[in-house]
Amino acid sequence: QSALTQPASVSGSPGQSITISCTGTSSDVGGYNYVSWYQQHPGKGPKLMIYDVTNRPSGVSNRFSGSKSGNTASLTISGLQAEDEADYYCSSYTSGSTLEVFGGGTKLTVL
Amino acid sequence: EVQLVESGGGLVQPGRSLRLSCGVSGFSFGDYAMSWFRQAPGKGLEWVGFIRSNLHGGTTDYAASMQGRFTISRDDSKGIAYLQVNSLKTEDTAVYYCNRRLKASAFDYWGQGTLVTVSS
Repeated sequence: QSALTQPASVSGSPGQSITISCTGTSSDVGGYNYVSWYQQHPGKGPKLMIYDVTNRPSGVSNRFSGSKSGNTASLTISGLQAEDEADYYCSSYTSGSTLEVFGGGTKLTVL
Repeated sequence: EVQLVESGGGLVQPGRSLRLSCGVSGFSFGDYAMSWFRQAPGKGLEWVGFIRSNLHGGTTDYAASMQGRFTISRDDSKGIAYLQVNSLKTEDTAVYYCNRRLKASAFDYWGQGTLVTVSS
């Protein structure tokens, strides 16, 4: 069982917006602004999409945005495109014995 | 162009040891912490641990579940990070990824992964 809770799947049509939630506790998501989001296509390594809750690495489309409220972080993808179909994972720094915790992943389907 | 290439995976019998390597290019290896993750077949990402740069002591931290059997090291002269896994178990079967740790919870460059299969 993953430390952070994500929905197993979300879907949307091209051009629409979707939001993926990531719920933790005050020891991780709620306690630090060190939340990241990763995109993983089948058979590929993950790609960092968002870090520090809201920051996009160079080269990541501005259609991807992050936010946080309390113990829940969110990834929003606007203007959905076919290539956005992938698995998405959230992660957070934690004060626990394991410094980094992950969500179980969300499969995004673009209809 | 930043590149990370893992190697050393394969089929290993339970109880044996394995050392994975991660060669990097395209950035100043010694300036960054390096981390390892794994992903069991059909499962999510699991953080193994990381090693700080020698500027920050070269110390390591591991996931609680990885303490004891996993050891991360680095050779800055060669630009290689290593993951030693001892007493392999069938549940260690996974694709192992190395990556560059930008900061807490932000791993910005990843390799393609190397598959470790633990089976008799």
